[in-house]
Amino acid sequence: GEDVEQSLFLSVREGDSSVINCTYTDSSSTYLYWYKQEPGAGLQLLTYIFSNMDMKQDQRLTVLLNKKDKHLSLRIADTQTGDSAIYFCAETLSGGYNKLIFGAGTRLAVHP
Amino acid sequence: DTEVTQTPKHLVMGMTNKKSLKCEQHMGHRAMYWYKQKAKKPPELMFVYSYEKLSINESVPSRFSPECPNSSLLNLHLHALQPEDSALYLCASSQQGGRSYNEQFFGPGTRLTVL
Repeated sequence: GEDVEQSLFLSVREGDSSVINCTYTDSSSTYLYWYKQEPGAGLQLLTYIFSNMDMKQDQRLTVLLNKKDKHLSLRIADTQTGDSAIYFCAETLSGGYNKLIFGAGTRLAVHP
Repeated sequence: DTEVTQTPKHLVMGMTNKKSLKCEQHMGHRAMYWYKQKAKKPPELMFVYSYEKLSINESVPSRFSPECPNSSLLNLHLHALQPEDSALYLCASSQQGGRSYNEQFFGPGTRLTVL
């Protein structure tokens, strides 16, 4: 079945690293995504990883994928107050159209 | 232009009203999507249009009626809504609908309140 799970809240100090975790259940997932949503706004794609990759780095963002455990993580280095938002992981499946299955979202709070 | 625009930004309507939400993109994308997002919840897919044809309807009640007049525009017609339909309605577009990678670009949403 299709199910994506995330922890709901994370609080970090400015300048520290943040790690947001996600688990998914469908082994046929092709692409896994991280989206950011600021209050009152739409979703912004931060990064994505193809299911045959283990890691992807993009500036301050590092995505790790453990296919065996169906575990995805997003690490944000040197977290800033502007990183405060809700972070959604999402997957698309191997069949059919580009249907995104979202996790519940992790609210990241960055404090001085 | 990498923007998806949505109008109106906010909408308040009664249960007997008829209103429409509009979405526009000029990126040449051929797939467009409507999502519904309740407070503190993830977006839920409602409809997908691919090459101006409806390809996915996620069992959405008929009081929501999508329309894709051309490749740049997507409308969502609302009629006889219920208070529980109050939510943020997000539009998105991608280069195509299909199995390969397709980044979906999201608009800012229309916040709908049904009284």
